[in-house]
Amino acid sequence: EVQLLESGGGLVQPGGSLRLSCATSGFTFSGYGMRWVRQAPGKGLEWVSAITGGGENTYYADSVKGRFTISRDNSKNTLYLQMNSLRAEDTAIYYCAKRTSRTGTTVDYWGQGTLVTVSS
Amino acid sequence: QSALTQPASVSGSPGQSITISCTGTSSDVGGYNYVSWYQQHSDKAPKLMIYDVSNRPSGVSIRFSGSKSGNTASLTISGLQAEDEADYYCSSYTSSSTLGVFGTGTKVTVL
Repeated sequence: EVQLLESGGGLVQPGGSLRLSCATSGFTFSGYGMRWVRQAPGKGLEWVSAITGGGENTYYADSVKGRFTISRDNSKNTLYLQMNSLRAEDTAIYYCAKRTSRTGTTVDYWGQGTLVTVSS
Repeated sequence: QSALTQPASVSGSPGQSITISCTGTSSDVGGYNYVSWYQQHSDKAPKLMIYDVSNRPSGVSIRFSGSKSGNTASLTISGLQAEDEADYYCSSYTSSSTLGVFGTGTKVTVL
């Protein structure tokens, strides 16, 4: 059974940093691209970042480029999102998600999410 | 990259069929057969319902079907049930962003 479990969310002041983790199991982690998706309170879904299976390529939404860094440790089956220079508008539930093996952008499994609140 | 356009809300009675539209451009929905649909119940994580326009993952009810015409994709829920009440989001590959683009989301209400 595929499982994704995020952690690391919490309350942080504007300008601060936070590191999210996503522990995975039930599939060959290194064989799949992974993504982070966020959802601000009462709002829709937003793609945040993506990384290929081997970690060679990373991609970011314009809204987080230069501030967030996605990475993975395939020996630990874990995905990360380092978030720096946080802003109030980064407040959201952050989900990690597993890509399918197909072309496109589809993700087939999601974690339960971790809440990040940026406020003074 | 602007979000794909979905109706804010759609409603129907139990047993009826409803259709949710997802309108984009030739750079996303119209240009590729890579449209997915996700269901999100209140305070829950999204769930994949349809991928590549019209394919259902294992375990998803056959009451859910997807299609596309031009720049508009559609999700149809037939035999509407109370458990279908949720938010639905489309997503598409786009030539202007490797990450893709989500729709604005549609709240489905079962009357």
